[in-house]
Amino acid sequence: AQSVTQLDSHVSVSEGTPVLLRCNYSSSYSPSLFWYVQHPNKGLQLLLKYTSAATLVKGINGFEAEFKKSETSFHLTKPSAHMSDAAEYFCVVSSGYSTLTFGKGTMLLVSP
Amino acid sequence: NAGVMQNPRHLVRRRGQEARLRCSPMKGHSHVYWYRQLPEEGLKFMVYLQKENIIDESGMPKERFSAEFPKEGPSILRIQQVVRGDSAAYFCASSPFSGSGANTGELFFGEGSRLTVL
Repeated sequence: AQSVTQLDSHVSVSEGTPVLLRCNYSSSYSPSLFWYVQHPNKGLQLLLKYTSAATLVKGINGFEAEFKKSETSFHLTKPSAHMSDAAEYFCVVSSGYSTLTFGKGTMLLVSP
Repeated sequence: NAGVMQNPRHLVRRRGQEARLRCSPMKGHSHVYWYRQLPEEGLKFMVYLQKENIIDESGMPKERFSAEFPKEGPSILRIQQVVRGDSAAYFCASSPFSGSGANTGELFFGEGSRLTVL
């Protein structure tokens, strides 16, 4: 069994300040973990993925995530938010050949 | 290389009617997944198909919902006798790889079909 919990439904930041979107997971096996982004009325786009290689993963648009097995976390960060980062972000877990399990999403709001 | 194409983007149906949602995967992809997204919910897996085969339908409601991916043509998600609770965004994703795409990492998503049931 696997599950993922996104700890914040909404996160608000000012442009130019750091972003932290939190995600905890549960998995019976060594998981693969992903972050997807969804802009309004659009499909989901893969930001980054962790598949048992380096624990610090770099993605597109300056986003990073660190896999911490001891904390069962995979938090998403970005040093400096941009207005175009405003979107909904989904943390996703998959184990072995099981289907992907999505978190409920975190809406990122960026103010000028 | 065109992405995953879904149509219609928006569909309005009255209770009791049928809804058909179509998905053309990316060129070269033979694995298709359907997900449903309800307001303020994450995506919920419905079904995973390969050409002419349903591989995993553990997320499909037992009644009124069906999916196919024929040898030729798009994948179709069919909802019979729709009810208001079926109102949601339905996303299709494709992958060139078997399983969930997990070991490679990536599903490619369409922009979704938004079903509204009056």
